[in-house]
Amino acid sequence: DGGITQSPKYLFRKEGQNVTLSCEQNLNHDAMYWYRQDPGQGLRLIYYSQIVNDFQKGDIAEGYSVSREKKESFPLTVTSAQKNPTAFYLCASRGGTGVFGELFFGEGSRLTVL
Amino acid sequence: SQQGEEDPQALSIQEGENATMNCSYKTSINNLQWYRQNSGRGLVHLILIRSNEREKHSGRLRVTLDTSKKSSSLLITASRAADTASYFCATDAKGSQAGTALIFGKGTTLSVSS
Repeated sequence: DGGITQSPKYLFRKEGQNVTLSCEQNLNHDAMYWYRQDPGQGLRLIYYSQIVNDFQKGDIAEGYSVSREKKESFPLTVTSAQKNPTAFYLCASRGGTGVFGELFFGEGSRLTVL
Repeated sequence: SQQGEEDPQALSIQEGENATMNCSYKTSINNLQWYRQNSGRGLVHLILIRSNEREKHSGRLRVTLDTSKKSSSLLITASRAADTASYFCATDAKGSQAGTALIFGKGTTLSVSS
């Protein structure tokens, strides 16, 4: 089935550790996105990528890093510089750089700092 | 930057009643989309309305768009308990490149009791 797979679903991190969240899509979409969601809040954009080997900062990029070496993959690293990383992280993709269409979301990764 | 603001923040109704949620946004748009999120899950696309459209229907969903007021409404008719979820509006800013990120509001939490 076509879709977006995020892993792990739950992740615990100790203070000072970097962690990487995986996002893989088999929809052949050019654009991919990472959003952060806090309880009772909307989605805030962390990073997005419109094409392989290119990505742009969103509104809350500080303390995060990404890479886009393959079309299918857009991993997010939450670094120790992110002071409040406990949140629900959502990855999404969108079809074709010439289309203003719908986003397809993964099921999310919940990160908790111990 | 939060583009859309949904109203109300929370809505509780009985099965069979209609539910109306509103979204206001700040800048001119290419299109406006509505998404649904069940608790702890990813978002699912419901409907997209373009800036030159005024109304759109999909099953029990009816969306209106008033670009002069920069507002949209989502109507769910004959609500069911399974409609219990959070609903978000999201916009593509007019003039933005294809593949740039959607901007989401904070959402309306709908609770439908049987």
